[in-house]
Formats: sequence, structure tokens, C-alpha cells
Amino acid sequence: DVKVTQSSRYLVKRTGEKVFLECVQDMDHENMFWYRQDPGLGLRLIYFSYDVKMKEKGDIPEGYSVSREKKERFSLILESASTNQTSMYLCASSLFGGRSMNTEAFFGQGTRLTVV
Amino acid sequence: DAKTTQPNSMESNEEEPVHLPCNHSTISGTDYIHWYRQLPSQGPEYVIHGLTSNVNNRMASLAIAEDRKSSTLILHRATLRDAAVYYCILVGLYDKVIFGPGTSLSVIP
Repeated sequence: DVKVTQSSRYLVKRTGEKVFLECVQDMDHENMFWYRQDPGLGLRLIYFSYDVKMKEKGDIPEGYSVSREKKERFSLILESASTNQTSMYLCASSLFGGRSMNTEAFFGQGTRLTVV
Repeated sequence: DAKTTQPNSMESNEEEPVHLPCNHSTISGTDYIHWYRQLPSQGPEYVIHGLTSNVNNRMASLAIAEDRKSSTLILHRATLRDAAVYYCILVGLYDKVIFGPGTSLSVIP
């Protein structure tokens, strides 16, 4: 069964901490995405990556960075967590968004991050 | 900005068909139309996609207008498990994939 796995389901961090959210996919997909989801705002794209060591900014990259050292792993980093980064974070992988348009995306279960 | 518009919410009775509309008037010739849904406390899951022709799979049907400026997701017999937020998105060759607010579907027993 194909999987996108996020390292934590729930996370509580303090303001100013550096936070790492990890995502691993086992489908050998080239493309990986990080979204955040807030009530009334839908899913908003933070960063995406279409290859190892490649990254592109999404709509709301401020306050975040990403790392993709291996094809299967895409990490989201909050350099200095703030309370307005309290949200649900969703990772996805797919063959689309880059070279192939005719495939589906697979999402992880999400990480609910609370910054206090 | 999301390139699709959908109603904020819809209701359906259990066991009846549901037609979820989506407008995408600025669609380009190479954009695919994808539908996802998100059940409570879960990540989105793929439902169906198409380019020009109508599509059917085990979950739903997708009807695409001839001018491709709109599409409709059809659930043939709504069940309580179909209560979710449904997202209609356009997927292009090099575009970022953007999700709008979607349609929240309620199913009434």
C-alpha cells in the first residue's frame, strides 16, 4: 500500500524554537509538497520540490524553509516558530505538478502543530 | 490564487445522487481537472481526474463541459461516508497545484 508518512500527528512547540516536520514517501515520486491548512482558508502551498535538492516557493513561504536531500524525504523547517504558524501541516507526493499531469497526489495524515 | 470556484457548501440526502459543480473559466488547453476530497481529521484523497472526456471510476463520475470552463463531480448514491470537503483543482504542466476552499458536502440520513 502506497504511503506518505509524516513523523508526528501532533506537536507542541514554544515560540522561537526551530521546528522540523518530516515527510517520507515510499512511491519513488519526484514531486513533493508542503501545505498548511487553516479554517476558512483551505490548503495553501508553502513549498514544493520536483527533484532532490530542488525547491520552489509556494504562496506562503515566509518563515519556512525546506530540505530535500533524498528523493523520499522532504522536510519543512520553521526557523523560529511563531504563534501564527499554529496550523495543520500536510505533506503530499505525486508525479504531477512537474513533468506528468495525469496522475494523482497522495497526502499524509497531517501534523497539527501548536506554537505556544 | 485558486483558479476554480465552487459553492461553499451543499447538502444531499443519503442514497440520492449528488452533483458538485466547479467553474474554471480560465482553464488552459493543457490543464487537467482533478477532484480530491478530505474527510474529517484526514489528509485529502484523490477522487477522479480528466482532461476533455467524461470519466468514470468506482468512486464517482466527472462530467466536463464541452468548452471545459466548468465540470461536475457526480456521486451516484451519497452515503454518510461521503460527507467531506470536495476540492476541484487544475493541474498544469509546470504550475503549482493550488487548492481553493472547496465545497463542504453534508449528507442527511
